Amino acid sequence: KAGVTQTPRYLIKTRGQQVTLSCSPISGHRSVSWYQQTPGQGLQFLFEYFSETQRNKGNFPGRFSGRQFSNSRSEMNVSTLELGDSALYLCASSSAGQDTQYFGPGTRLTVL
Amino acid sequence: DQQVKQNSPSLSVQEGRISILNCDYTNSMFDYFLWYKKYPAEGPTFLISISSIKDKNEDGRFTVFLNKSAKHLSLHIVPSQPGDSAVYFCAAMSPGGTSYGKLTFGQGTILTVHP
Repeated sequence: KAGVTQTPRYLIKTRGQQVTLSCSPISGHRSVSWYQQTPGQGLQFLFEYFSETQRNKGNFPGRFSGRQFSNSRSEMNVSTLELGDSALYLCASSSAGQDTQYFGPGTRLTVL
Repeated sequence: DQQVKQNSPSLSVQEGRISILNCDYTNSMFDYFLWYKKYPAEGPTFLISISSIKDKNEDGRFTVFLNKSAKHLSLHIVPSQPGDSAVYFCAAMSPGGTSYGKLTFGQGTILTVHP
């Protein structure tokens, strides 16, 4: 089976812009979770989607949002980018959200 | 509030010897624990997991031990190989409800295996 894929791998944006990141889960997996990794905060949970519904959300501002499509592919959007949003954004998929999560390679976002 | 802690930022081991990585947690609701290996600018790679109903799980060179009373788990790698050099993250999950799809990670331990 193909693994989790994320596009794009690298992105450079300026403050105030918005960005959309994409994640395709492992075939058959219906749960997609998103995480932000920064040197200071480590790996932090953003949100989880299952069957096109957000079931869980971490402690991030409303500028961070996401959605999931009927084929389980997911996107996350960050609006009004700030310098502090520079991070590695990771998505992970699992069968049902309460089992082992498999991660994609991540999208490195740099905000200038 | 750091619910999952890896108190050793780094560990250095000789090739062929045992590597022991430790992890402590505070949330007694955690019932599923995982270890991931990560290289810079890449996603974490799943290594091994353990459910709270077990105290040990083995997969090849990797063994995870869980001590629920001490809220402590450890990952043993035997024998260690230079290719094992990476950052290792411990992660934990609670049962459903408000914890759907959420892994809580430790801060990671950098393992260096010397030839």
